Amino acid sequence: KTQVEQSPQSLVVRQGENCVLQCNYSVTPDNHLRWFKQDTGKGLVSLTVLVDQKDKTSNGRYSATLDKDAKHSTLHITATLLDDTATYICVVADRGSALGRLHFGAGTQLIVIP
Amino acid sequence: DMKVTQMPRYLIKRMGENVLLECGQDMSHETMYWYRQDPGLGLQLIYISYDVDSNSEGDIPKGYRVSRKKREHFSLILDSAKTNQTSVYFCASRDRGPERLFFGHGTKLSVL
Repeated sequence: KTQVEQSPQSLVVRQGENCVLQCNYSVTPDNHLRWFKQDTGKGLVSLTVLVDQKDKTSNGRYSATLDKDAKHSTLHITATLLDDTATYICVVADRGSALGRLHFGAGTQLIVIP
Repeated sequence: DMKVTQMPRYLIKRMGENVLLECGQDMSHETMYWYRQDPGLGLQLIYISYDVDSNSEGDIPKGYRVSRKKREHFSLILDSAKTNQTSVYFCASRDRGPERLFFGHGTKLSVL
């Protein structure tokens, strides 16, 4: 059973527009959540890590929220660029130690058009 | 420079051949992972290694085995590859804190 659900599955936006990606999960315990960017044919690059019960992070044009009570996270991308075209993957860790398991969403494919 | 290196980047094999995928990291991380990624699915865990010679099966270990004889090196072996093992394989390494998780660029394996 999928424990990390991402929506939408795919999204097309025009360059300069903002977008919001969603991640809902059922992983228990939920130690921390991470968003990755994966360019086509490439590896996963970490964008941000959220740790606290209600957390917010900001990394340039990327910002994210986490609500552990709702088991929900969002990734906001402002003023999108063509280079933002990629798959964005939500990952939930069930423990903070290296013994913890990582639970992956299937990703949201974002396409930014001129 | 912290990184995870995977070799080779691309590999084509015939069904029944043996396959060796290699992964190295230069961060002395204890824990390393092998995943496969298929279209429409999240990364699926094949094996975890918690340190040298301390390996555990993940969610889909059938048809795979691993070897970790040095902390910085973790190998994935397919004995007699099958066509349904065509996939992109990712290696990752992780230290104790949530910040310290790194992925390799992946190995695209095609089994014909």
